[in-house]
Amino acid sequence: AQKITQTQPGMFVQEKEAVTLDCTYDTSDPSYGLFWYKQPSSGEMIFLIYQGSYDQQNATEGRYSLNFQKARKSANLVISASQLGDSAMYFCAMSSGYSTLTFGKGTMLLVSP
Amino acid sequence: DSGVTQTPKHLITATGQRVTLRCSPRSGDLSVYWYQQSLDQGLQFLIQYYNGEERAKGNILERFSAQQFPDLHSELNLSSLELGDSALYFCASTLGIQRGRDEQFFGPGTRLTVL
Repeated sequence: AQKITQTQPGMFVQEKEAVTLDCTYDTSDPSYGLFWYKQPSSGEMIFLIYQGSYDQQNATEGRYSLNFQKARKSANLVISASQLGDSAMYFCAMSSGYSTLTFGKGTMLLVSP
Repeated sequence: DSGVTQTPKHLITATGQRVTLRCSPRSGDLSVYWYQQSLDQGLQFLIQYYNGEERAKGNILERFSAQQFPDLHSELNLSSLELGDSALYFCASTLGIQRGRDEQFFGPGTRLTVL
């Protein structure tokens, strides 16, 4: 069975600073994908970044980067230069097989001016 | 805008009733997923369809059923509703051809309230 653990219920960061959101995973599948989604207060799920289990380099998408440490089974999201609009719930998720997603419980990020 | 549409946006009903949630995937996507987001259970995968056929099943109750039609839209039917079924129900879609690495595009969700 797959499991995603996000140990930080909430995080605070000041505008323009970087922040790391933690995610660890557990799976016996050799092939899997790791995703981060953002859910603002309006409720929609917004895809941020993807990392494949066989990818050699860490994924980056603009201000988002994924710090993938396969041996430690961690896939932390790094947001550089935080903005007020980054305040939201962030979910780490894993897929395997037919791409069904297993989600963590989420981390609420609050960015202050 | 992800390109995935869900209707209705909000639904308020009573215990014991039956409702149908509708989802239209992005143009060209063959695979549809349903997820439930509730305060106590978090985000849970319910069921997946690919090109009209059921492909994977998650934590879906027997009172719930789904189908995907020839035009690829999908419906999630919830019956004998209980207070605990109150949740945000998401539909997501992908092409469905790359095992494990398809980015899922989520619809805006249907917020179901059971009174």
